[in-house]
Amino acid sequence: NAGVIQTPRHKVTGKGQEATLWCEPISGHSAVFWYRQTIVQGLEFLTYFRNQAPIDDSGMPKERFSAQMPNQSHSTLKIQSTQPQDSAVYLCASSKRANTEVFFGKGTRLTVV
Amino acid sequence: SQWGEENLQALSIQEGEDVTMNCSYKTYTTVVHWYRQDSGRGPALIILIRSNEREKRSGRLRATLDTSSQSSSLSITAAQCEDTAVYFCATDATNTGKLTFGDGTVLTVKP
Repeated sequence: NAGVIQTPRHKVTGKGQEATLWCEPISGHSAVFWYRQTIVQGLEFLTYFRNQAPIDDSGMPKERFSAQMPNQSHSTLKIQSTQPQDSAVYLCASSKRANTEVFFGKGTRLTVV
Repeated sequence: SQWGEENLQALSIQEGEDVTMNCSYKTYTTVVHWYRQDSGRGPALIILIRSNEREKRSGRLRATLDTSSQSSSLSITAAQCEDTAVYFCATDATNTGKLTFGDGTVLTVKP
């Protein structure tokens, strides 16, 4: 079990460019979560899927952020027209079922220059 | 914020000392998760305490939960240098795995 796998680990984009972050959840886990971590805001929930269906995207900035889960083995978080304030560590997590342990990946550090 | 007065805190102790970290929360939850995060890694669950448990132990860790005061604590007994990390508490108000994290405590254990 390799845990939750996130790629790339580091990404640098120019302001206005698009960034796509990838996540492979633990096999057999039905829920996939995306969080963002910054020094100022801490760990913030963005969105989650259960059985590939989007359930709650209440934490997603509405205009430039989108997330998809095309199959049970991967999810993507896409940020269009990146801005410096999007710089953060983006964490993907998965869990087997509700109210159980949530396993986090190592994160993708996004830097927008 | 769904959290009380907690802001990112920093604690520095000597190896062998005991330490307690506290957090309070505003929204209803049936479970409090305690995570530790090492540099360059994602958070890792260290103890999970449910509303029907007032105390839970795991090795040198002890968590408490007081639902009436909406507060939880994490204690580490005889801290070791390898306990140096950032510790977060998190609630799951919707019982879905969607977590709301506190600001965390940066714990440094010195030899």
